[in-house]
Amino acid sequence: DVKVTQSSRYLVKRTGEKVFLECVQDMDHENMFWYRQDPGLGLRLIYFSYDVKMKEKGDIPEGYSVSREKKERFSLILESASTNQTSMYLCASSSSGTSPSTDTQYFGPGTRLTVL
Amino acid sequence: RKEVEQDPGPFNVPEGATVAFNCTYSNSASQSFFWYRQDCRKEPKLLMSVYSSGNEDGRFTAQLNRASQYISLLIRDSKLSDSATYLCVVNGLTGGFKTIFGAGTRLFVKA
Repeated sequence: DVKVTQSSRYLVKRTGEKVFLECVQDMDHENMFWYRQDPGLGLRLIYFSYDVKMKEKGDIPEGYSVSREKKERFSLILESASTNQTSMYLCASSSSGTSPSTDTQYFGPGTRLTVL
Repeated sequence: RKEVEQDPGPFNVPEGATVAFNCTYSNSASQSFFWYRQDCRKEPKLLMSVYSSGNEDGRFTAQLNRASQYISLLIRDSKLSDSATYLCVVNGLTGGFKTIFGAGTRLFVKA
């Protein structure tokens, strides 16, 4: 069964703290994604990765960085958390077809991050 | 204008009703289309892909209208368990291959 896991369901951090969100998939997928979801805005892509050690900026990369050292793991890093980064963070993965992202994206359960 | 637009709803319908959602997209070069379902406090999950010829999966029918740049989802004989948010997803070329999620349409099915 397809599985994407995220390190925490709920996280509370203080402004200025460094935050690590981890995502692991067990499907041997090439593509991995980090989104944030806010009411009325839908899912917005932060970063994605098509391969190990490869990363591409999404629509809202400011204030975030990522790391993909192993195929199954994609980490999102908030170098200095701010209150406007309070959100639901969703990780997803997909396999590579003839063009990236044409295949189904499988999502993790999400991490609800609150920055005080 | 948003790249993918949906009516946020909520749509409140009785059990057994037929309900339809539309989703419009702005990029005529969009190549593939999907409907995802997201339950409250859960992650999105693929409901169905949308093909040019239209496709049906049980009580659910999805259609694509490329000329008018919209996709639709029809749910027949609504069940209480259909209550969820339905996300429209569009893949296409916008300065590189890109997946765009709509903000979702909320559906409440009541007994």
